Amino acid sequence: DIQMTQSPSTLSASVGDRVSITCRASQSISSWLAWYQQKPGKAPKLLIYKASNLESGVPSRFSGSGSGTEFTLTISSLQPDDLGTYYCQQYYTYSTFGQGTKVEI
Amino acid sequence: VQLVETGGGLIQPGGSLRLSCAASGFTVSSNYMSWLRQAPGKGLEWVSIIYTGDSTYYADSVKGRFTISRDTSKNTLYLQINYLRAEDTAVYYCARLRGDSWFFDYWGQGTLVTVSS
Repeated sequence: DIQMTQSPSTLSASVGDRVSITCRASQSISSWLAWYQQKPGKAPKLLIYKASNLESGVPSRFSGSGSGTEFTLTISSLQPDDLGTYYCQQYYTYSTFGQGTKVEI
Repeated sequence: VQLVETGGGLIQPGGSLRLSCAASGFTVSSNYMSWLRQAPGKGLEWVSIIYTGDSTYYADSVKGRFTISRDTSKNTLYLQINYLRAEDTAVYYCARLRGDSWFFDYWGQGTLVTVSS
């Protein structure tokens, strides 16, 4: 099984900050990676697919980069609505998720 | 596009349950569909997938106990869960996949399954 490891587990930042979340795969997954945002009590929402493709309707302050085993989700200017937990997901082989990164503002 | 899960509840260990996911705005049988789950306070876990051609796949943790299916006439996805264990306690989500890529572009709101005596 491919293991996905996110860091940090928790991130505290201020409105307007540039923040980054890292996701590492236990083996190469090419660019088969997605990012999701989950707000408390809600279903996850797709943000990024194929490592760097922004889902339609998602604000342009979100961006994704990386390939192989290391990936990054960046929020260029953190907004109050961005609080929640962020998950990476590999879909190179079946599907596995990272453990999540909680973003606090 | 909307997905609405129903069927969750409190069930004793060893029991069975069938979860339903009613879809609107698209055709279930024309899309890859999945079930995922999230234990309380934990992360996301992929559970099962059904392809447009009826092939199905399961996570090792549920293989042999869970069955994914769909009803074309009702545009509904199902998950039959047998031999429930305490560790199956979770919110269960149905989700649509984007084409034949295994990422999930639409999710339901989830239904809670609690396994306890």
